[in-house]
Order: sequence, then C-alpha cells, then structure tokens
Amino acid sequence: RKEVEQDPGPFNVPEGATVAFNCTYSNSASQSFFWYRQDCRKEPKLLMSVYSSGNEDGRFTAQLNRASQYISLLIRDSKLSDSATYLCVVNADSSYKLIFGSGTRLLVRP
Amino acid sequence: GAVVSQHPSWVICKSGTSVKIECRSLDFQATTMFWYRQFPKQSLMLMATSNEGSKATYEQGVEKDKFLINHASLTLSTLTVTSAHPEDSSFYICSARNAGHVDQPQHFGDGTRLSIL
Repeated sequence: RKEVEQDPGPFNVPEGATVAFNCTYSNSASQSFFWYRQDCRKEPKLLMSVYSSGNEDGRFTAQLNRASQYISLLIRDSKLSDSATYLCVVNADSSYKLIFGSGTRLLVRP
Repeated sequence: GAVVSQHPSWVICKSGTSVKIECRSLDFQATTMFWYRQFPKQSLMLMATSNEGSKATYEQGVEKDKFLINHASLTLSTLTVTSAHPEDSSFYICSARNAGHVDQPQHFGDGTRLSIL
C-alpha cells in the first residue's frame, strides 16, 4: 500500500466549478500535512498547509481527518490558471522528510 | 524570488558520463537538503537526505555508490549521477529546509532535467 494515495484524475471541469480532491495516508503517526501544486515540468510549490481544524485560503479549503487518515482540498470558482497537478504531501516524522502522493491532475476548461 | 537555486536546469549527455547537479540555498543556511527524482506522470520520490558535514541518508532501493551526495557547506549540496545510463533519465529536484520558516516545510529548486542518450 502506498504511504499517500490520491485519485490520479484527471478532473476535467468548467470554469467556475467547485472541485474536491481527496487523499489518504497510511502512517497514523504522521505529523504535518500539505497540499502542493505542480505545473508541467516545474518544481512543486506549496499551496497550503492542512490543519486539524480545517483552514481556508481564498478559494481553497483544506481539511484533515486524523481518525480516518484523510485529507481533502476544495477549490471553489475554478479558474483556468488552476489547471495543474495537486500533490498531497505528508511529513511522517521528525526528520522533516516529505512523502508525496502521486498527484491529482486538474484541467479547467473555458 | 527563488530561495533555492539548482544548476544545471537541463543536461543531455552520453551514456557512461557522470553528471553533477548543484543545489544552493540562497539566503539561508540549510543543514538538511533533500534530493528527489520524478519520472514522467509519477510523483516525487525521495532519494536521499543530505546532511551538512555528515554522510547522506539514502532511501531504500537507492544506490549510494551510484548517486553520490556531498553537502560540504551550509548552502550547497551536490548530487553526482555516476556512469549515467538511459534509465537514469529523469527530473531531479532538490529542496532545502529553512528552520526559520515554520510555515514552509521545504523550499524547492527549479529541478534538473537529465536526459541520457
């Protein structure tokens, strides 16, 4: 079983749509959680951290359910520029190593 | 602006060549840097953790004699792919942790696209 699992997609949605991505992780001792965005042939960029209480940054909302070992990302009012691969990332221990999911590809069409 | 610089960004070379990739933290000291590899349509896979002044810690399945890591200073780590072969062709990305940035787990370099002919 992969340490971090995501639906690979692609999710093909029209502009303005709301889209949700899910992610599960296997290590119950995981400490920190993030969503990264990666554009084609580019390095990943931090989108947002994920906190137990849930957190929002503009059109993006992230939630964490530790009991179910489940993380989600909600994007509202999708823009064309949101088209990218979204990576669920977990920091499993105190070594600061990041474990990346395989990513979910989002395509936002006009 | 970029806080981690990776060089070169693109390398094409013949099979059997050794290739060195540099990763520099530009405005902070990084005692720990990380090296990842990403094959097409796959996620980033951690290869090794580079520790300043000590040996790197390699992930399972990564050959330490094949992928030499040197972290000689607090701002520079290098990855050398020795005797590279076509199967080593990949996107190599480094990252560095800035202990002063608690909200940013790691800063990533731009990546190096390695193509072995």
